[in-house]
Amino acid sequence: EVQLVQSGAEVKKPGESLKISCKGSGYNFASDWIAWVRQRPGKGLEWMGIIYPGDSETRYSPSFQGQVTISADKSTNTAYVQWTSLEASDTAIYYCARHELAYDYDGIGTPGRGWFDPWGQGTLVTVSS
Amino acid sequence: IVLTQSPGTLSLSPGERATLSCRASQSVSSSYLAWYQQKPGQAPRLLIYGASSRATGIPDRFSGSGSGTDFTLTISRLEPEDFAVYYCQQYGTSRGLTFGGGTKVEIK
Repeated sequence: EVQLVQSGAEVKKPGESLKISCKGSGYNFASDWIAWVRQRPGKGLEWMGIIYPGDSETRYSPSFQGQVTISADKSTNTAYVQWTSLEASDTAIYYCARHELAYDYDGIGTPGRGWFDPWGQGTLVTVSS
Repeated sequence: IVLTQSPGTLSLSPGERATLSCRASQSVSSSYLAWYQQKPGQAPRLLIYGASSRATGIPDRFSGSGSGTDFTLTISRLEPEDFAVYYCQQYGTSRGLTFGGGTKVEIK
C-alpha cells in the first residue's frame, strides 16, 4: 500500500525556523514526484511546489518561491519543507502528496501537470507569539 | 488559470443527486482536471482525474464530465459518507497548478 506519513504538529513563535517531513512507503519513492500543499484554517488548498526525490529537482509555485525550501532524502524516503523565519500567516495544515503525472499522446509527462494521490495525513503548523 | 466552483454550499438529503460545477477562467488543455473530496479533519482524497476517470476504489456513483472551461462532478445518489467539501484542480499548464475554492455538500 502506498502511504505517506507526515511528522507531528508544531507550535512555533514568529521568526523561528522549522522543517517538517513526509515519509513514503509502499512504492519506489525516488521515482515519483512529491508535492506540498498548504491549507490555511477554514480555507482552500494551495499548491506550494514539487520535488523529484531521485535527483532533488524542485519546482515552486510562484506564490511560494523564496518563502520555503523543499528538499528530499531518497536514502530515507523522506521529503521536507522548511522555513527559516516563520510568520503568523504560515499557520496552516501542510500536506504532502504523491504527484502523478499526466502523460500526453506522445508519452511525455511534464512535472507540474498532474494530480495528487495519495496524500499524507497533514502536519498542523501553528505560529503564534 | 482561476477555477470557480459553484455553488459554495449545496444542501441535499441522502439519496438525492448532487451536481457540482467547476468553471475555469481559460480552457483547460486535454481536460486535465481532477476532483477531490475532503472530510473534516482529514486529508483530501482523489476522486476523479482527467475530468472523467475515477480513481482506484472510488464508487461509481461519482462521475466527472466536461471539457474546455466547464466541468461537473456528479454524485448520483448521496450516501451519508458523501457529505464533505469537494475541490477541483486543474493541471493543464505546468506554470501553476490551481485549485478551486471548494463546494460544501451538507445534509439538508
